[in-house]
Amino acid sequence: DTGVSQDPRHKITKRGQNVTFRCDPISEHNRLYWYRQTLGQGPEFLTYFQNEAQLEKSRLLSDRFSAERPKGSFSTLEIQRTEQGDSAMYLCASSLRSNVGGEAFFGQGTRLTVV
Amino acid sequence: EDKVVQSPLSLVVHEGDTVTLNCSYEVTNFRSLLWYKQEKKAPTFLFMLTSSGIEKKSGRLSSILDKKELFSILNITATQTGDSAIYLCAVSAFESNAGNMLTFGGGTRLMVKP
Repeated sequence: DTGVSQDPRHKITKRGQNVTFRCDPISEHNRLYWYRQTLGQGPEFLTYFQNEAQLEKSRLLSDRFSAERPKGSFSTLEIQRTEQGDSAMYLCASSLRSNVGGEAFFGQGTRLTVV
Repeated sequence: EDKVVQSPLSLVVHEGDTVTLNCSYEVTNFRSLLWYKQEKKAPTFLFMLTSSGIEKKSGRLSSILDKKELFSILNITATQTGDSAIYLCAVSAFESNAGNMLTFGGGTRLMVKP
């Protein structure tokens, strides 16, 4: 499968625990995005990487959220001290810089449930 | 702040019907409008529109953009049960530090009954 891959697909955690999600983009894509989607809503942009550089992170929801892409390939999204309001689908997408119009390919998402 | 509004919120039709989904937007430095289909998992790309008045077509689906009136429509003819999904509209703007960041609408939930 050469699409965007996310792991795990589902995560149940207790409030206060830390969680980390992984995204493997399409191999030749240098741009990587994280989005959050809550029930009944469209995806909401969180952060963006071009290669290993995190160029936009002001829309991360709080300082409990952080993301890395250390070698410009896979990325991780970490949520510290999870709260019930963090329960959502976390989607990763990737694109080529040459996709000027914005076409991005999404992974299957990680569904987080905080109990 | 960029904004995308989709209507209707939900729609129930019977197989064979034709549906029109609407998307209006407000965005600074518009680059493109995209339609995605989401069936309980990853949004899958349908169309990208950058120019007014040029229809994009793929099988029974088609879409057109009006940059003057700031809206787009997605048409599905001869609907099938497999068309049941959430249809998402998104816009991309020219922002030097956010790549191809997309602003999404809330989606239209389409249910096609046999």
